[in-house]
Amino acid sequence: SQQGEEDPQALSIQEGENATMNCSYKTSINNLQWYRQNSGRGLVHLILIRSNEREKHSGRLRVTLDTSKKSSSLLITASRAADTASYFCATDARDSSYKLIFGSGTRLLVRP
Amino acid sequence: NAGVMQNPRHLVRRRGQEARLRCSPMKGHSHVYWYRQLPEEGLKFMVYLQKENIIDESGMPKERFSAEFPKEGPSILRIQQVVRGDSAAYFCASSPGRGTSGSTIYFGEGSWLTVV
Repeated sequence: SQQGEEDPQALSIQEGENATMNCSYKTSINNLQWYRQNSGRGLVHLILIRSNEREKHSGRLRVTLDTSKKSSSLLITASRAADTASYFCATDARDSSYKLIFGSGTRLLVRP
Repeated sequence: NAGVMQNPRHLVRRRGQEARLRCSPMKGHSHVYWYRQLPEEGLKFMVYLQKENIIDESGMPKERFSAEFPKEGPSILRIQQVVRGDSAAYFCASSPGRGTSGSTIYFGEGSWLTVV
C-alpha cells in the first residue's frame, strides 16, 4: 500500500457528532497536511503539522501526529452537513520535500 | 490575489486527440506542480517545474505526456493521443519556493478530462 493511507475509507455520522479520520504513512517526513475536497472540486488546505509537533488546532479541527507510530488523526468536532467531503492526508518525504504523497482519502457524510 | 487558475475546467476528447491543460500559478509563485487524480483515488504527483525548467518528472508516464512552464505564460500539461485511461482530474499547484516545509502548496480547482 502507498504512503498516507486513510482509515476509514468512508464515514457516515449525524450532524453534531464528532468525526475522526486516521492516516498512516511509511517513511520519515518533514510535515503532514490534511486537505478537504468537495465532490468535483479542488483541494482546500486545512492544516499542516510539522514532524516536531504533536498536536495542532484550527477552529473545529484537531490534528495529532505520532511519528513513532507514523500516524496522524484528524478530528472534526460538532460536525455540520457542510463538512461532507473527502479528506486526504498528504506527506512529504525528507529526501524530496516538494513532492506530496496523498492517501486515497476518507469520504465523510454528515447527515442533517 | 487570485488563486491557482486552471483551464479548461472540463474537457472532452476523443481517443487519439490531444489534450492541453493550462495552469497559471498564484502571483509571486514560481514553482508549479501537476498531480493526477483517478476516480475514487488520491492525487498522484506527476511533475514539478520552475520557470523554463523541469525539476522532477518522475511521476509522468514515459510516453504521450509532457509539461512545460515557459518564461512567459502559463504552465501547460500536454497529453497526446489520449486513451480512455487518461480520463482523470488533473490538478495544478504552486508555491512561492521549493518544497513544502513550513509552506503551503496551493491547489487549483482542477481540469476534468474525459476521453470518449
